[in-house]
Amino acid sequence: DAGVTQSPTHLIKTRGQHVTLRCSPISGHKSVSWYQQVLGQGPQFIFQYYEKEERGRGNFPDRFSARQFPNYSSELNVNALLLGDSALYLCASSALRQGEQYFGPGTRLTVT
Amino acid sequence: QQPVQSPQAVILREGEDAVINCSSSKALYSVHWYRQKHGEAPIFLMILLKGGEQKGHDKISASFNEKKQQSSLYLTASQLSYSGTYFCGTIYNNNDMRFGAGTRLTVKP
Repeated sequence: DAGVTQSPTHLIKTRGQHVTLRCSPISGHKSVSWYQQVLGQGPQFIFQYYEKEERGRGNFPDRFSARQFPNYSSELNVNALLLGDSALYLCASSALRQGEQYFGPGTRLTVT
Repeated sequence: QQPVQSPQAVILREGEDAVINCSSSKALYSVHWYRQKHGEAPIFLMILLKGGEQKGHDKISASFNEKKQQSSLYLTASQLSYSGTYFCGTIYNNNDMRFGAGTRLTVKP
């Protein structure tokens, strides 16, 4: 079975630009969560979507938004990029809202 | 609010044991443990629900002390493949997962 996939794998943007990251969950998984991980730290929770509805939001500015599509794939959008947004963005899917999470390989975003 | 992990780092020789702790100041619904190797995504190890249960997986086991709001991960007879950063993830009543800062485990031959 295919695992969680994310695209793109790497991305370089300049300050002020906008970025869209994509995630496809494991087949049958209805929950998708997004995390930001900077080097040397644990993943920081951004959003959780379950059954296409936002179920949780972390302490991130409104420049961050997300959505989940009818096929349970998800997009994370970040507007007005700042240098501090440079990080690894991880997507995780789970069958249940509070079940074990399976992570994708991540998207490495570099903002210059 | 993030859970607090200890120690921050540990170095072992193959065959030695280690304990990693995860503490919270808030009541926990569940605790998840993950291992992440450099340049890779975190891999799920196990989940513990409140109720004080213990779980085991090969030579890696964990416990959840609901009274102390603490979970411990036990690695026995460590192998080189155990090297990586271990994260605990905690879920509180609002269902959001919060990860600790991680414990870097290095197993040497």
